[in-house]
Amino acid sequence: KAGVTQTPRYLIKTRGQQVTLSCSPISGHRSVSWYQQTPGQGLQFLFEYFSETQRNKGNFPGRFSGRQFSNSRSEMNVSTLELGDSALYLCASSHGTSGRTDTQYFGPGTRLTVL
Amino acid sequence: AQKITQTQPGMFVQEKEAVTLDCTYDTSDPSYGLFWYKQPSSGEMIFLIYQGSYDQQNATEGRYSLNFQKARKSANLVISASQLGDSAMYFCAFINDYKLSFGAGTTVTVRA
Repeated sequence: KAGVTQTPRYLIKTRGQQVTLSCSPISGHRSVSWYQQTPGQGLQFLFEYFSETQRNKGNFPGRFSGRQFSNSRSEMNVSTLELGDSALYLCASSHGTSGRTDTQYFGPGTRLTVL
Repeated sequence: AQKITQTQPGMFVQEKEAVTLDCTYDTSDPSYGLFWYKQPSSGEMIFLIYQGSYDQQNATEGRYSLNFQKARKSANLVISASQLGDSAMYFCAFINDYKLSFGAGTTVTVRA
């Protein structure tokens, strides 16, 4: 079974631009979660989608948004990029049936650099 | 909100020896789950092991075992017979409402 895939793997953008990251979950998984990892803040939860609906959201500004499609693929968008948005963005998928036991499987991540 | 604490920023271990990584958590929920993930320098987070709060036995997965002490709110990961490929960052994580909350991580370096 193929794992979680994320595209692109690397991105370089400049301040003020916007970016869209894509995530394809493991086949059969209906939940997709997004996390941001930085050296200063560690791993932080962005949001989680299930059946095209956002079920949970982290404490990030409105510049960070996401969506999920009917095939469970998900995209996240960051508008008006800031230097502090430079990070590794990780996507994870799970069955989405239990908020306390589902194992989340991660993709390889997208490394975003904002200049 | 749940808080996960990993007090060991870095550890060195000799190849073939065992290593224990500490993790404590703080929650008032009676039902919860705890995970350990491995992150090599490539960046991908690799699932290692899961422990549910109501599980009667400590979880084991190959060379990984979890020393779960519910009353002390600790979930330490034990890696037996360390290998050079075990060199990585290790994260303890708590799950609630589909959201993982991670500790700061412990870097493990295995020496030949």
